[in-house]
Amino acid sequence: GAVVSQHPSWVICKSGTSVKIECRSLDFQATTMFWYRQFPKQSLMLMATSNEGSKATYEQGVEKDKFLINHASLTLSTLTVTSAHPEDSSFYICSAAGQGDEKLFFGSGTQLSVL
Amino acid sequence: QKEVEQNSGPLSVPEGAIASLNCTYSDRGSQSFFWYRQYSGKSPELIMFIYSNGDKEDGRFTAQLNKASQYVSLLIRDSQPSDSATYLCAPTYAGNKLTFGGGTRVLVKP
Repeated sequence: GAVVSQHPSWVICKSGTSVKIECRSLDFQATTMFWYRQFPKQSLMLMATSNEGSKATYEQGVEKDKFLINHASLTLSTLTVTSAHPEDSSFYICSAAGQGDEKLFFGSGTQLSVL
Repeated sequence: QKEVEQNSGPLSVPEGAIASLNCTYSDRGSQSFFWYRQYSGKSPELIMFIYSNGDKEDGRFTAQLNKASQYVSLLIRDSQPSDSATYLCAPTYAGNKLTFGGGTRVLVKP
């Protein structure tokens, strides 16, 4: 399958700071990338859909000003958690699909812990 | 509200047996169905996808789809301890967005 790289794998930060997570498609061009969040023992919840060169589409209940998404190229999308708080602690996972392909491939995930 | 229902388990099966996982979904517009495997602390890994009614086999995995009943299942034959994981059912909606079920935890006992 296609390779999606996500960094960092884990991050610990102080409350009030911002954290940036990168998602790269390594061997294909991802016209669309998706950002998910997963709390312990729960399923993945879609946060937003990121399209290259346009604004991200956020799911209901997700604050766009708190979770900034930039899809600057066909191989890179970033998620910035601004002014992080302990309740933002979660496992954040990106996924990507090639043009015309419905199969999603996931990055390795980022475990965010906000103290 | 798109809903995907899975039995949370754990589904305990002896090594070498067949594990049968079920999933029902609410969105009749879903066209594609994916099964992902997720090990604890890791991100999901695609193992199967199915688009048409009927069965699709890939190695030890068989996916079954019945759109009229809004039901999709996954069979794991000759279960191995390495198959112990949570299996996520994910139908598509609105193009290629996925809605994930809560997952079924499978435990294969040697």
